[in-house]
Amino acid sequence: KQEVTQIPAALSVPEGENLVLNCSFTDSAIYNLQWFRQDPGKGLTSLLLIQSSQREQTSGRLNASLDKSSGRSTLYIAASQPGDSATYLCAGGIQGAQKLVFGQGTRLTINP
Amino acid sequence: GAVVSQHPSWVICKSGTSVKIECRSLDFQATTMFWYRQFPKQSLMLMATSNEGSKATYEQGVEKDKFLINHASLTLSTLTVTSAHPEDSSFYICSAGPHNEQFFGPGTRLTVL
Repeated sequence: KQEVTQIPAALSVPEGENLVLNCSFTDSAIYNLQWFRQDPGKGLTSLLLIQSSQREQTSGRLNASLDKSSGRSTLYIAASQPGDSATYLCAGGIQGAQKLVFGQGTRLTINP
Repeated sequence: GAVVSQHPSWVICKSGTSVKIECRSLDFQATTMFWYRQFPKQSLMLMATSNEGSKATYEQGVEKDKFLINHASLTLSTLTVTSAHPEDSSFYICSAGPHNEQFFGPGTRLTVL
């Protein structure tokens, strides 16, 4: 059974810093890995999708990596801004990639 | 990216009543949709897989008679919470997606009094 873990549970950093969010999964037979952002009381916004055959994906200030052998993914946020404050969730795609198993999320606060 | 909508965005109901939540794929067809539940300060837990034209597949521990799922068309899945109780109060989110990337609806906040 696939299990996804995210650390830290919460992170608070000053504006402008670069930061890394971590995600680990137990089963390397993962179809893909998605990173999402969730604002309080809102739905999920897809940030990056990494296919199992890929090592990383980039979008603007965001870079996500995937290492299946070690069961890890990281989300790198460069030059953080207060607007980046949100909960970040990673999810592993199983059973044909559509069914997702979520981590507990990292609540990120960027202080002006 | 693909767009998934949900209706209503929030609902308050009395204990014992039934509530229907709709999930629509607006710009693509979805033979499969997924329903998740999120309790406060917790992550999303998959409840069931909605299959167009056939029965839904429920995750372990989810009561199929309580959470009725209907996927009558390629763009609409509905989740009905029957005889709702306060412990059913939660944030319900659906997802669907073309290919193998999932897009999520904005969620429905259910409060059962």
